[in-house]
Amino acid sequence: QQPVQSPQAVILREGEDAVINCSSSKALYSVHWYRQKHGEAPVFLMILLKGGEQKGHDKISASFNEKKQQSSLYLTASQLSYSGTYFCGTGTGFQKLVFGTGTRLLVSP
Amino acid sequence: DTAVSQTPKYLVTQMGNDKSIKCEQNLGHDTMYWYKQDSKKFLKIMFSYNNKELIINETVPNRFSPKSPDKAHLNLHINSLELGDSAVYFCASSLPGEGNEQYFGPGTRLTVT
Repeated sequence: QQPVQSPQAVILREGEDAVINCSSSKALYSVHWYRQKHGEAPVFLMILLKGGEQKGHDKISASFNEKKQQSSLYLTASQLSYSGTYFCGTGTGFQKLVFGTGTRLLVSP
Repeated sequence: DTAVSQTPKYLVTQMGNDKSIKCEQNLGHDTMYWYKQDSKKFLKIMFSYNNKELIINETVPNRFSPKSPDKAHLNLHINSLELGDSAVYFCASSLPGEGNEQYFGPGTRLTVT
């Protein structure tokens, strides 16, 4: 089953913060976060693994609550370049990611 | 240097035709994937190969057949195309294991008329 993301869409002014949430009904091994700009490929942002290991870009932060099967992506001091659609991809340890419903982010000047 | 490349970028064809999409990666990865992104932007895995071996085969019509001639290439052949096959198809690659990021190709926009 597809993980659910919230909010579906958010509009920010440059410099504002946002939180994007991802919730799954399954016990998770990993959560991946990707950003996709219009007409482009998804680009990797961060991976969070069961047990606490994380890897990703320095300017991106995220959390993973294994018990609740939830993850949140924190975007601080947003820039125009942050605009795009954010997807979480959840995995249960079998190397298959199920991507979420997507969150559209628009950062305006 | 392009890490993951796909050809063609656009494909317009009629119902009933057969078409192929090619994917190549120069990252040295062992694992490659095909994803389908529909008009609602849902990104769904179709197939995954690890070192030329099929490891993920989602409930995809058997009109879709992936082929991996070597670990740097993963092609997708589609027989008897249908209107519902219209979508953007992304190839991706990664190191083995779920803890590794996936690198996506630029996508192939398939339109079936």
